[in-house]
Amino acid sequence: EAQVTQNPRYLITVTGKKLTVTCSQNMNHEYMSWYRQDPGLGLRQIYYSMNVEVTDKGDVPEGYKVSRKEKRNFPLILESPSPNQTSLYFCASTRVRDSQAFFGQGTRLTVV
Amino acid sequence: GENVEQHPSTLSVQEGDSAVIKCTYSDSASNYFPWYKQELGKRPQLIIDIRSNVGEKKDQRIAVTLNKTAKHFSLHITETQPEDSAVYFCAAKGGAQKLVFGQGTRLTINP
Repeated sequence: EAQVTQNPRYLITVTGKKLTVTCSQNMNHEYMSWYRQDPGLGLRQIYYSMNVEVTDKGDVPEGYKVSRKEKRNFPLILESPSPNQTSLYFCASTRVRDSQAFFGQGTRLTVV
Repeated sequence: GENVEQHPSTLSVQEGDSAVIKCTYSDSASNYFPWYKQELGKRPQLIIDIRSNVGEKKDQRIAVTLNKTAKHFSLHITETQPEDSAVYFCAAKGGAQKLVFGQGTRLTINP
């Protein structure tokens, strides 16, 4: 089954404690991205990757890092989380030929 | 860069009536406009999309219209049902594969 898998689904952490949210897709898509969803703001792009070892900033990259060492994986790293990064995070994988994006299940992060 | 505005932010309709959600975009080079439905606690899921070479597209009870001159597009849901209650997002594809999303519309269908 074609899918995008994120882990964990829920995470509560403390300010400053490094964390990683994993994302994996099995559709062989080149393009992957991370979004955060906040009430009234829709989904805003954090980082994206056009292919292996090619990443770039989206609209709200501050406080986040990503890596793309393999085509299927695109982890999101918060080196020193702060309370303003409390949000719902979605990974997406895009089929380039028709631009259709497929989302992971989401990760609800709370930073206290 | 691209900017997408979506209205209304909340919409309540009687079951069986129609619902319309509108979006405007700023970048005339945008060429792909998807709509996503997000049920409570779930991921956004693509329900319909339209490309810039088409003015209208239908899929059963849902349809999308695009006016490139005015830079706006709309989602139309007819004969609404309780299962249509959700948050709906419009988006526009700007540079490369980047999707820029509207702020979302919470649609409630009243029985």
